[in-house]
Amino acid sequence: DTGVSQDPRHKITKRGQNVTFRCDPISEHNRLYWYRQTLGQGPEFLTYFQNEAQLEKSRLLSDRFSAERPKGSFSTLEIQRTEQGDSAMYLCAGGDDYLNGDTEAFFGQGTRLTVV
Amino acid sequence: QKEVEQDPGPLSVPEGAIVSLNCTYSNSAFQYFMWYRQYSRKGPELLMYTYSSGNKEDGRFTAQVDKSSKYISLFIRDSQPSDSATYLCASPEDSGAGSYQLTFGKGTKLSVIP
Repeated sequence: DTGVSQDPRHKITKRGQNVTFRCDPISEHNRLYWYRQTLGQGPEFLTYFQNEAQLEKSRLLSDRFSAERPKGSFSTLEIQRTEQGDSAMYLCAGGDDYLNGDTEAFFGQGTRLTVV
Repeated sequence: QKEVEQDPGPLSVPEGAIVSLNCTYSNSAFQYFMWYRQYSRKGPELLMYTYSSGNKEDGRFTAQVDKSSKYISLFIRDSQPSDSATYLCASPEDSGAGSYQLTFGKGTKLSVIP
């Protein structure tokens, strides 16, 4: 158990609906990442927070996606007007400050989204 | 071409076999390399973490990096059915914002048959 929890674990939604996922890292995790993983692929980076500041967004993060990390604690990822191509596992990862090359990120169990 | 290439397998071996998992990478900026293990429907968990060329051993696992050929390997000795999982190689890269986000390979699905 990495201490990173994600909710919900599974979400089935109809195309066009909005969905929101939550990630709770452990309190020491200043760094927080969202990744997306589709079947048969490795996780792909979506966005990065350093405390409450969203410092980087991947080109994969279309305008329909928005992420927040209020107060530098939990984070939410919202997808508006879902499309079938959004079906994937959404993974959250947390980590301590980057020091001396230590970039270990602890992943949560993920939220599996199915858009029907 | 993806920056990290990995044969997706699947790879099936008998219990007790030595397993060799491999990745190649194209980005010369990659300096650190990780191997993650991912069980079905779970998040990835870090197995091994290496920097620079050479070997690193941890129990039954050995990670090897050859920067001259941009080749990364993970060896599993005395493989066990509990090793059955998908193994992902990854490398962090700072694109300027201090993120050090991970670039993953596709993962190799391993089955160890009792």
